[in-house]
Amino acid sequence: QKEVEQNSGPLSVPEGAIASLNCTYSDRGSQSFFWYRQYSGKSPELIMFIYSNGDKEDGRFTAQLNKASQYVSLLIRDSQPSDSATYLCAVKRDNQGGKLIFGQGTELSVKP
Amino acid sequence: DAGVIQSPRHEVTEMGQEVTLRCKPISGHNSLFWYRQTMMRGLELLIYFNNNVPIDDSGMPEDRFSAKMPNASFSTLKIQPSEPRDSAVYFCASSRTTQNTGELFFGEGSRLTVL
Repeated sequence: QKEVEQNSGPLSVPEGAIASLNCTYSDRGSQSFFWYRQYSGKSPELIMFIYSNGDKEDGRFTAQLNKASQYVSLLIRDSQPSDSATYLCAVKRDNQGGKLIFGQGTELSVKP
Repeated sequence: DAGVIQSPRHEVTEMGQEVTLRCKPISGHNSLFWYRQTMMRGLELLIYFNNNVPIDDSGMPEDRFSAKMPNASFSTLKIQPSEPRDSAVYFCASSRTTQNTGELFFGEGSRLTVL
C-alpha cells in the first residue's frame, strides 16, 4: 500500500463547476497535510495546508481533513481553465522535520 | 529573493556516464530536499538535509546515487554510473524547518535523459 494515494485522473469538469480532489494516507502518525499544484513542465507550488480536522477555506479553495478516516480532500469552486493542472497531496509527520511524502497526483482538466 | 536554483536544466548523457546535479537553496532555509519525478512513480523523496547534515537517505535508490551538502548554500546529487532507468526530472526544494509549516519551495528541476 502506498503511503499517500490519489486517483490519477484525469478529472474533467466544466468551467464554473466544483472540482473535488481526494487523497488517502496510510500513516496514522501523519500530522500535517498539504496540497500542491503542478502545471505541466513546471515545479510544484503550495496551494494550502491543513492540520486540524474539518474544513479550511482560502478563496475558491477548501481543504477538508478527516483524520479518523485518514482522508484529505481539496474542493475548487468556480473552476477556471487556469486551474487545469496536476494536484499533489502530501503528508508530514512533524517529528520527521520537513519530510513530505507525496501522492502520485490527480490531473484536473477544466473545460471552457 | 531568488528562489531555489538548479543546474543544469536539461542533461542528456549516455549510459555509464557520471551525472552531477546542482542546487542552491533559498538563503536562510535550513532544510534541503532532493526529489525525483517520473510518470510511473510520481514524486519520490531521495534524501533530505537539515543544517547541511543528511537526515534521511532511505529513498536513495542504490549506491550509484550520492548526495552532498558541503555548506548551507550548495548541494549536489551525483549518479555514477548512470542508467536509462535514471531518466527523470530531479527537483531540489528547500524550507525552514519549523513545527507548524511544511512549505517546500521547489527549483525548476533538472530533466535527465540517459540514453
